[in-house]
Amino acid sequence: DAGVTQSPTHLIKTRGQHVTLRCSPISGHKSVSWYQQVLGQGPQFIFQYYEKEERGRGNFPDRFSARQFPNYSSELNVNALLLGDSALYLCASSLGAHGTEAFFGQGTRLTVV
Amino acid sequence: GQQLNQSPQSMFIQEGEDVSMNCTSSSIFNTWLWYKQEPGEGPVLLIALYKAGELTSNGRLTAQFGITRKDSFLNISASIPSDVGIYFCAGQRNTGNQFYFGTGTSLTVIP
Repeated sequence: DAGVTQSPTHLIKTRGQHVTLRCSPISGHKSVSWYQQVLGQGPQFIFQYYEKEERGRGNFPDRFSARQFPNYSSELNVNALLLGDSALYLCASSLGAHGTEAFFGQGTRLTVV
Repeated sequence: GQQLNQSPQSMFIQEGEDVSMNCTSSSIFNTWLWYKQEPGEGPVLLIALYKAGELTSNGRLTAQFGITRKDSFLNISASIPSDVGIYFCAGQRNTGNQFYFGTGTSLTVIP
């Protein structure tokens, strides 16, 4: 069985550009969450989507947006990139919306120059 | 936002030794997860805990959900070189869906 898959694995962007990151959850999982992990820190919650609806939002600016598609895959969009957006972006897949185990993909390493 | 405190921050141990680490919070959580992360990879789920006082094992790993619901512990017995990595705890409150992650414990095992 395929785990959580994310694409691309690495990305280099220039300040001011925008980026789209993609995630496919584990088959049968309906919840996708996005986390940002800056080097040396634990992951920080950005969004959760369940059944195509936003169920949670972390303390991130409006430049960050996301959506979930009918097949439960998800996209994370970041506009007007800043140097501080450089991080590992992780997608986590869960069976349900709350209180269930979260399984992570390998992440997308975003570098903003 | 909420940050869980993990200790110790780093550990250097000899192969074969046992390891203990913990995670504390100022808030009550109803779910605790423990992850291991290796360089360049996403976190891998090790153990999930759902009930105060619960003790769960996964091979050489044992984790406990603290009675106060504000802490959790992870023990690794008879460490081996492949245990090297950063261990994160993550907690979820009764309200809301996000997981709050700890600051991580970096483990180095010396053969």
